[in-house]
Amino acid sequence: DAGVIQSPRHEVTEMGQEVTLRCKPISGHNSLFWYRQTMMRGLELLIYFNNNVPIDDSGMPEDRFSAKMPNASFSTLKIQPSEPRDSAVYFCASSARTSGGTTDTQYFGPGTRLTVL
Amino acid sequence: AQSVTQLDSQVPVFEEAPVELRCNYSSSVSVYLFWYVQYPNQGLQLLLKYLSGSTLVKGINGFEAEFNKSQTSFHLRKPSVHISDTAEYFCAVSGSARQLTFGSGTQLTVLP
Repeated sequence: DAGVIQSPRHEVTEMGQEVTLRCKPISGHNSLFWYRQTMMRGLELLIYFNNNVPIDDSGMPEDRFSAKMPNASFSTLKIQPSEPRDSAVYFCASSARTSGGTTDTQYFGPGTRLTVL
Repeated sequence: AQSVTQLDSQVPVFEEAPVELRCNYSSSVSVYLFWYVQYPNQGLQLLLKYLSGSTLVKGINGFEAEFNKSQTSFHLRKPSVHISDTAEYFCAVSGSARQLTFGSGTQLTVLP
C-alpha cells in the first residue's frame, strides 16, 4: 500500500495568495483528518470527514480555511487568502472505521510544509 | 473533553540506556491511548496503542507502554535505546468522539 499521499511536500507563497493542499487517503479508509502542526500550538485537528462528509470542522481557524472531500480518494484544504501566520506543516491522516465502533488507527501522510511570506 | 500532558519536552539519554517518556491524560469517558513517533521532516508513525485488554502494550522498535487507569498514565518505555530512536514522540488520547487529542510532544535525543 502506498500510504497516505500529500502534495505538494513544500509550498512557498506570498501573503494574499490562494493555497491548495491535496491528500489521497489509503484505499478503503473512510475517515480523513486534516491537522496543522506549529511550534507554538503543536498538533491541532482542523477538520475530519467520515464517508466524505465533514463531521467536525470546529478546529478550522477561520473562514479563510475550507476543506472538501469530493470522493473517497481525494481531499483538499484551501486557504484563501493566505497569511504569514498560516505557515505550518499540514498533515492529512486516514483511518478505517471498524464495525465495533472502536477508535481506529490513524495513518499519517508526510505533510506539506507551507511558508507564507 | 480530554487532554494529554507530556511532562518532559526534552529527554536526552545515552545510547543503550533505558528510557521512559511520561504521558498523563484526563478524560470523562473511557479512552483509547496511542503513542506516535515523528522523525525529522516526516509524518507521524504509530508506535503502539491501547484499546482494551492487557494494560501492557508492546509496539514496534522494542517500545512498550503501560496503561495505568488509577494514575491516568500511559508511559512509554524502552530498555535500551539506539541512536536511531532520536525523534519526537507524541502521546494521544481518543474518546467516544474518535478524534485524537495530542500532547505537546517529547523530543528524545540519544547521545553516543
